[in-house]
Amino acid sequence: AQSVTQLDSHVSVSEGTPVLLRCNYSSSYSPSLFWYVQHPNKGLQLLLKYTSAATLVKGINGFEAEFKKSETSFHLTKPSAHMSDAAEYFCVVSEIPGGYNKLIFGAGTRLAVHP
Amino acid sequence: EAGVTQFPSHSVIEKGQTVTLRCDPISGHDNLYWYRRVMGKEIKFLLHFVKESKQDESGMPNNRFLAERTGGTYSTLKVQPAELEDSGVYFCASSPGTGASLWETQYFGPGTRLLVL
Repeated sequence: AQSVTQLDSHVSVSEGTPVLLRCNYSSSYSPSLFWYVQHPNKGLQLLLKYTSAATLVKGINGFEAEFKKSETSFHLTKPSAHMSDAAEYFCVVSEIPGGYNKLIFGAGTRLAVHP
Repeated sequence: EAGVTQFPSHSVIEKGQTVTLRCDPISGHDNLYWYRRVMGKEIKFLLHFVKESKQDESGMPNNRFLAERTGGTYSTLKVQPAELEDSGVYFCASSPGTGASLWETQYFGPGTRLLVL
């Protein structure tokens, strides 16, 4: 079965500094991986997704993630944090038991951005 | 284009009562999913509809939960009777396509926050 581990439950950065949110996955075959973000009182929004076309995936709002098969990782990065990036981030893997898609979520990482 | 909408946004009920959550998917999306996040835990899959048919309900916790999608449009999730451990955030998502692709994006609603006292 697929699984996802987000290595940090909380990350705190200063505005303008880089962001790194770590994610490791477990999969018996080539996975499909996503990062979703949830701002306070908002729904889950897709940041980016890995579909095997390219290992470096660019998403919205300057975020990107790199798929590293040898390390089974899919870490999310951003060069310079903005106050509006404060939110909870979810690393997600997709699996298809019985032929239909369902998402497996990591526990989430809360990102705090300080002035 | 309207996104996935959920009603109500919040619900506070007493143990033993019944609550019905509603989800309206994006127009034209055949796939509709329910997920739940209880306090301090991961977001977990509950079930998946393709049009009006339940394709996978392996995540439904017990028979107190009943999901329907009459006519293949909106869906309801009823909890009867509600227990304390049912408290959490219930998310609905929808996707176009067949629902059988690993790379299909699921679009999420804002969630319904359920508190059972």
